[in-house]
Amino acid sequence: KQEVTQIPAALSVPEGENLVLNCSFTDSAIYNLQWFRQDPGKGLTSLLLIQSSQREQTSGRLNASLDKSSGRSTLYIAASQPGDSATYLCAVTPPGGGNKLTFGTGTQLKVEL
Amino acid sequence: SAVISQKPSRDICQRGTSLTIQCQVDSQVTMMFWYRQQPGQSLTLIATANQGSEATYESGFVIDKFPISRPNLTFSTLTVSNMSPEDSSIYLCSAWEGAKNIQYFGAGTRLSVL
Repeated sequence: KQEVTQIPAALSVPEGENLVLNCSFTDSAIYNLQWFRQDPGKGLTSLLLIQSSQREQTSGRLNASLDKSSGRSTLYIAASQPGDSATYLCAVTPPGGGNKLTFGTGTQLKVEL
Repeated sequence: SAVISQKPSRDICQRGTSLTIQCQVDSQVTMMFWYRQQPGQSLTLIATANQGSEATYESGFVIDKFPISRPNLTFSTLTVSNMSPEDSSIYLCSAWEGAKNIQYFGAGTRLSVL
């Protein structure tokens, strides 16, 4: 059974700092990995999707990497802003693609002024 | 991208009652899902809502407790039946666009059972 863990569970940083969120999964046989952002009362927003054949994806100040063989992914946030405060979740898709996401435990990020 | 509307956004219910949550997508999607997020926990898949047929439930979830309907490609409902305080959670609907292999999520329904 696939298990996804995220470290740290919570993180507080000053504005402007670069930071790294970690995601590890026990079964390296995945189709892809997604990073989501969850804001209170606003559900989940997909940030980045990395296919199993890819090593990284970038969107603006966000960069996600994937090392499938070691079962790890990182989400790098550059020049953090208070608006980045949210819970960040990673989720993996099993081989064959599609639908059943297994979510990580989440990292609650607070960026302070 | 698909936009998902979920109703109600929150509710407080009495033990033993049932609540039906609605999920409306603004476009036809391949698949729809229901997740539960218990306090302090991550998301757990409850079931896949199949259009025109019975939902497919994950281990630990049963139809009698969580009946699901999906009458067409844009709408689904989840009922939480005979509620107890342990059912207090956030329930989220999601829609999967097969072509893009991306899941979109609703804002969730925050349920509290007294």
